[in-house]
Amino acid sequence: ETGVTQTPRHLVMGMTNKKSLKCEQHLGHNAMYWYKQSAKKPLELMFVYNFKEQTENNSVPSRFSPECPNSSHLFLHLHTLQPEDSALYLCASSQDGNTEAFFGQGTRLTVV
Amino acid sequence: GESVGLHLPTLSVQEGDNSIINCAYSNSASDYFIWYKQESGKGPQFIIDIRSNMDKRQGQRVTVLLNKTVKHLSLQIAATQPGDSAVYFCAELPRSGYNKLIFGAGTRLAVHP
Repeated sequence: ETGVTQTPRHLVMGMTNKKSLKCEQHLGHNAMYWYKQSAKKPLELMFVYNFKEQTENNSVPSRFSPECPNSSHLFLHLHTLQPEDSALYLCASSQDGNTEAFFGQGTRLTVV
Repeated sequence: GESVGLHLPTLSVQEGDNSIINCAYSNSASDYFIWYKQESGKGPQFIIDIRSNMDKRQGQRVTVLLNKTVKHLSLQIAATQPGDSAVYFCAELPRSGYNKLIFGAGTRLAVHP
């Protein structure tokens, strides 16, 4: 285990549903990230949080809403998604912005 | 955690042979580079990193080479084993890109017994 835990591992949701992805890191890091990995693109950075403050929103549609209540927890709230949003969503953390990121196992999301 | 569907370049090697996976990075201002391994059903795992003030760094069975002149990074795996079969990604961190790792498309390594 990498010390970054994501739940659920798999999620199927309809386009009108609201769901949330959860990430928890046990590494004492101060930065957390959401990445999207789809079948047609390499890893794409979505959001970055440093010390609970959002420092990066990589032009992500508003149907994805992140929340970082503290340095150990990160959520991604999902609503009115589209089928093309089906992908593997990966959470990561790092000690600071200049070191390696540690990834969770990901949530495989399918939008139907 | 797989990149199924992406038309990834694939490197096929025999068990016991050495593997070399290459990566061309885009930003000449990048000063930190990482290799990740992603096995099926898992998230990317850190393998080895290198900073731009170095040309070579060695780990256990792995070596990373950095050629800043041609913006090229390589990962060498010695005595490749079946457990090394995975997708390998290089990632770069631009000097001005705090927290913004940029990932390459990945290379699939297939190890045959």
